[in-house]
Amino acid sequence: SQQGEEDPQALSIQEGENATMNCSYKTSINNLQWYRQNSGRGLVHLILIRSNEREKHSGRLRVTLDTSKKSSSLLITASRAADTASYFCATTYYNTDKLIFGTGTRLQVFP
Amino acid sequence: DAGVIQSPRHEVTEMGQEVTLRCKPISGHNSLFWYRQTMMRGLELLIYFNNNVPIDDSGMPEDRFSAKMPNASFSTLKIQPSEPRDSAVYFCASTPGTPSYEQYFGPGTRLTVT
Repeated sequence: SQQGEEDPQALSIQEGENATMNCSYKTSINNLQWYRQNSGRGLVHLILIRSNEREKHSGRLRVTLDTSKKSSSLLITASRAADTASYFCATTYYNTDKLIFGTGTRLQVFP
Repeated sequence: DAGVIQSPRHEVTEMGQEVTLRCKPISGHNSLFWYRQTMMRGLELLIYFNNNVPIDDSGMPEDRFSAKMPNASFSTLKIQPSEPRDSAVYFCASTPGTPSYEQYFGPGTRLTVT
């Protein structure tokens, strides 16, 4: 079974609004990563947060990690139509090297 | 930097035929991954290599699937014989550090088995 489950499965917003996606996982992790996938393309790495970090920023992206709740969130501020894509969280199990992807959130940003 | 290169980009074949997917990782990267993506099962890790050695192939669905990495710049994923349920997008990814570092994905090969 997949390690991460994303919520919501789909999200539609207007340009300029913020988008928040959540990821829950089941076991202890080394780190958690977020990836974006545009339709018909490969995945692109966005940000990595380690298990001992609580928050990380990269441009308009803000990621939080709550290891006590086994959850993470990705916030995209001031969204743009170009942010339309699927977003996946991916976790590395504690004591392993495998990267396991979640089910993804499909984000649609309307101009 | 050309990124991860995969070929072919699209493959249509008949059930029972052999299919070979190819991947060239980013130069200097020492870990390589093969994934399969379908609507039903999402993105699944099939196998990964570190320094050309297979480390974990527990995701390979059946004996019909095999993967090789004869050198640091080339890997193949072979399906023999292919079945309609193998239809999916197959991605190759590489990473410069240990496998838990960020991964760089290729554009994928869309396989259709009729």
